[in-house]
Amino acid sequence: EPEVTQTPSHQVTQMGQEVILRCVPISNHLYFYWYRQILGQKVEFLVSFYNNEISEKSEIFDDQFSVERPDGSNFTLKIRSTKLEDSAMYFCASSEPRQVVGTEAFFGQGTRLTVV
Amino acid sequence: DQQVKQNSPSLSVQEGRISILNCDYTNSMFDYFLWYKKYPAEGPTFLISISSIKDKNEDGRFTVFLNKSAKHLSLHIVPSQPGDSAVYFCAASLNNDMRFGAGTRLTVKP
Repeated sequence: EPEVTQTPSHQVTQMGQEVILRCVPISNHLYFYWYRQILGQKVEFLVSFYNNEISEKSEIFDDQFSVERPDGSNFTLKIRSTKLEDSAMYFCASSEPRQVVGTEAFFGQGTRLTVV
Repeated sequence: DQQVKQNSPSLSVQEGRISILNCDYTNSMFDYFLWYKKYPAEGPTFLISISSIKDKNEDGRFTVFLNKSAKHLSLHIVPSQPGDSAVYFCAASLNNDMRFGAGTRLTVKP
């Protein structure tokens, strides 16, 4: 069964460093997403991406964050200068193009980012 | 951003009984609603969904009900099984963008 894969599974970084979280979405999917979940809290929407551009982003997704689809298969989330409060589980998701009604998104296993 | 709310952080039921998880939303433009199940250290997995043009969708032991006038949806699991113990997230979608509730931790006791 096709799945979304994320690497690394755990990333530890020093405050102020740049991190890149990588995702390989399901191959025929065209919508891509990043969500995060701070330990014990809700799953928060960060950004959605379609047709090589951001379609929507939340207030969390400030200038420190960027997304890219560099080679047609990977989908990356970059945090330029990490802060302690960026420590969270980051989930990538992808979905098929919307037809008449919506479709579910498939999630990766997540990357646990720890900023020290 | 509190467009989707799950006001019960936890729910405990006895095996074999019905579990009812509730979700409220504020944006009447949402047109597709989903429930995801999440185990620790894993990503959310899709469980069941419903379009805004319907009021009920059933899949085996899982049924989702939608009350658009109340902006409320619920997930019924019957009979509940210990393996159903997980965190359940309600999500609402508009134009392929999903917003999640905070989740409800369901514990099914044997």
